[in-house]
Amino acid sequence: DAGITQSPRHKVTETGTPVTLRCHQTENHRYMYWYRQDPGHGLRLIHYSYGVKDTDKGEVSDGYSVSRSKTEDFLLTLESATSSQTSVYFCAIRGVGADGYTFGSGTRLTVV
Amino acid sequence: AQSVTQLGSHVSVSEGALVLLRCNYSSSVPPYLFWYVQYPNQGLQLLLKYTSAATLVKGINGFEAEFKKSETSFHLTKPSAHMSDAAEYFCAVSDYSGAGSYQLTFGKGTKLSVIP
Repeated sequence: DAGITQSPRHKVTETGTPVTLRCHQTENHRYMYWYRQDPGHGLRLIHYSYGVKDTDKGEVSDGYSVSRSKTEDFLLTLESATSSQTSVYFCAIRGVGADGYTFGSGTRLTVV
Repeated sequence: AQSVTQLGSHVSVSEGALVLLRCNYSSSVPPYLFWYVQYPNQGLQLLLKYTSAATLVKGINGFEAEFKKSETSFHLTKPSAHMSDAAEYFCAVSDYSGAGSYQLTFGKGTKLSVIP
């Protein structure tokens, strides 16, 4: 595919524990995004990054933080996981222009 | 910010019938528009995109969509449904958020069922 991988693919964690999801790209793209997908809601933007150490909040950022210390990695952290954060998380990258989005395969997170 | 409305969370069609999935967007400037398909337990696959060239956009698997600025619509069609088209379909719009950054905003999705 286009050089974007997410890890882990599946994770089960307990309420109250911190969790970090990783998005790794080999395309050297500037822009990276984290979305969550829930039935009836489509995909909603959590956070995005427009460069190393440059991030901003999306529509549903409460309870999440992100970090981008190098171009290729964008980390999403659930500081204290709750059952409402059970979801499928997708990372996306975008190259030059407004139309070149590529999505990762997703991480299915279950908080019990 | 942009918004996307997909009319109908579930659509059922008979095999061989026309598929029509509706999408309307809000925008004050010409947008970039997308349709994605998601098969069960899989990721997102790009069906087609509009980027201000031809208003009728052809995509994969026989799908096409027409951009109508006056109606702020980008409906997805396929002349003849196949069983393999059963999936969830998402309309999305790319929105400029400043500092050279764009965001992709999704509709809530339409689940297409194909009846044999």
